[in-house]
Amino acid sequence: EAEVAQSPRYKITEKSQAVAFWCDPISGHATLYWYRQILGQGPELLVQFQDESVVDDSQLPKDRFSAERLKGVDSTLKIQPAELGDSAMYLCASAQGAVDNEQFFGPGTRLTVL
Amino acid sequence: AQSVTQLGSHVSVSEGALVLLRCNYSSSVPPYLFWYVQYPNQGLQLLLKYTSAATLVKGINGFEAEFKKSETSFHLTKPSAHMSDAAEYFCAVSYSGNTPLVFGKGTRLSVIA
Repeated sequence: EAEVAQSPRYKITEKSQAVAFWCDPISGHATLYWYRQILGQGPELLVQFQDESVVDDSQLPKDRFSAERLKGVDSTLKIQPAELGDSAMYLCASAQGAVDNEQFFGPGTRLTVL
Repeated sequence: AQSVTQLGSHVSVSEGALVLLRCNYSSSVPPYLFWYVQYPNQGLQLLLKYTSAATLVKGINGFEAEFKKSETSFHLTKPSAHMSDAAEYFCAVSYSGNTPLVFGKGTRLSVIA
């Protein structure tokens, strides 16, 4: 069964360092989302891609976060510099863009900023 | 603006008892509604979805949910809880394809032997 891949699964870094997360969506899924999930909360959207284009990055803290999906397949989310408040689970999801909007989630990257 | 309210951040049931997790939504247009389950340090797995077909939706692992437009609710139920059901459950809403999901804050389900 096709799955969304994410790496690394866990990342520990010190504040002010740079970190990067990678996501490989299910093959053929044109839509890719990055969500951030703070402990004890539901996921919240950071950025949405349609193919290689950004559709919605209104909630992305652009002073320190960047995201790209250069060839419309895999994607990278970067934080520079990391802050203590960035500690969270970062989830990638992909979708075919079907009418029912079913999204398939990867296992996530758990980030801890010390 | 869409929003989701999950009543009860923590629900505890005995093994074999009925599971009821509550979800109310706010949407200005007919919504698509989802329930996801999350085990510790894992991603979200879809349990079931409502997409304007049958109002009673059956999902995986014996879960089901009923869409009630008059009550703006989409509560999740399971007749008999199993220890393996212990996890975090999230209700989510969107209003069309290719749009981000808006999630509730989640309900942690504990199952007592």
